[in-house]
Amino acid sequence: GDSVTQMEGPVTLSEEAFLTINCTYTATGYPSLFWYVQYPGEGLQLLLKATKADDKGSNKGFEATYRKETTSFHLEKGSVQVSDSAVYFCALSEGQDKIIFGKGTRLHILP
Amino acid sequence: DVKVTQSSRYLVKRTGEKVFLECVQDMDHENMFWYRQDPGLGLRLIYFSYDVKMKEKGDIPEGYSVSREKKERFSLILESASTNQTSMYLCASRRSGIMNTEAFFGQGTRLTVV
Repeated sequence: GDSVTQMEGPVTLSEEAFLTINCTYTATGYPSLFWYVQYPGEGLQLLLKATKADDKGSNKGFEATYRKETTSFHLEKGSVQVSDSAVYFCALSEGQDKIIFGKGTRLHILP
Repeated sequence: DVKVTQSSRYLVKRTGEKVFLECVQDMDHENMFWYRQDPGLGLRLIYFSYDVKMKEKGDIPEGYSVSREKKERFSLILESASTNQTSMYLCASRRSGIMNTEAFFGQGTRLTVV
């Protein structure tokens, strides 16, 4: 079945460092891909999405490109801030119903 | 602003109790979901519903049931709570009929079973 694998955390970086969180997926068709973020004490919220190959999703300085040839959707940010500390989830959906999530990557940004 | 509201942020229940977790959305979404979140395991789907009175099992339905009597409300029921059901529970909703839409989440209910 469909699945999402993302790098294990926690990831600890200094402020202004470059961030990459790796995500790869397995799907039978052509899924949509998502990154969600969960700030402490809150539910998940959508960070960005991409719906077809070579699409780039972007929001709040974060970017991810849908790479069909490598089945990947890596999250990147050029300069992280302390406020980016959160848990990040990669996810996919092949239709209109359920969304399948990775296990999440906890990010700590040190001032 | 769109909203998914879970009735409690924190809940403490005793082993064997029947527990109700309530979720309401104001976006007229057809699809609603219950997930549980545990460290190292991510989000696991318990049940979802794509219409009133309709439900489908997710990956870990054992020990749970659900109810959807109205479109905006989706309840998760722990028939007889056990300590291994201590977890964070997240409700979500999603529009049907349009491909590639995102899900909207509530703030979560942290349930402790003692």
